Amino acid sequence: NAGVMQNPRHLVRRRGQEARLRCSPMKGHSHVYWYRQLPEEGLKFMVYLQKENIIDESGMPKERFSAEFPKEGPSILRIQQVVRGDSAAYFCASSPQGLQLTIYGYTFGSGTRLTVV
Amino acid sequence: KNEVEQSPQNLTAQEGEFITINCSYSVGISALHWLQQHPGGGIVSLFMLSSGKKKHGRLIATINIQEKHSSLHITASHPRDSAVYICAVDPYGGSQGNLIFGKGTKLSVKP
Repeated sequence: NAGVMQNPRHLVRRRGQEARLRCSPMKGHSHVYWYRQLPEEGLKFMVYLQKENIIDESGMPKERFSAEFPKEGPSILRIQQVVRGDSAAYFCASSPQGLQLTIYGYTFGSGTRLTVV
Repeated sequence: KNEVEQSPQNLTAQEGEFITINCSYSVGISALHWLQQHPGGGIVSLFMLSSGKKKHGRLIATINIQEKHSSLHITASHPRDSAVYICAVDPYGGSQGNLIFGKGTKLSVKP
């Protein structure tokens, strides 16, 4: 029973390119969350999605960042025209409909380390 | 002042020692989470608490809602416990997953 799968683990992009980060939630989980961890900083919430719906995007930068969770396939975090400041670790987590149904809460993935050169 | 404060920031212990990491928060919460992050690695959820105490193996987590404080204890510490431990809260009124994170406590356990 695979956990949350993120790919790629490492991604290098030149300034101005697009970055696409993928997240497949744990089997049976319908809620996906994205977080960003900047170097030497703590984790920050970005966006909360359910299938075909963005529930809360209050943590997303206003420009260049978008997220989706289509009916079929993984959730995608897309960063257009990347800049050096986008270099960070991006983590995805998932949960079932009700968090109280879980023992440990959110299940996190291993993250994607994005480096912009 | 951050809404979630952890102490200490760094902690070095000898193998076998009893370890305590503290977390204080300033907002109303529906749940508190303790997470573990190994260098270059992913994040593992250790506990989700809304009251009282939970135990899993050598790990114990407690929460005092009135005092807005939680502690993570590790008994008989081992070098493999070396990691960053992160406290995070689900604030009241926020959407699910919109966590507020502490800056983490970096634990190093020496053999």
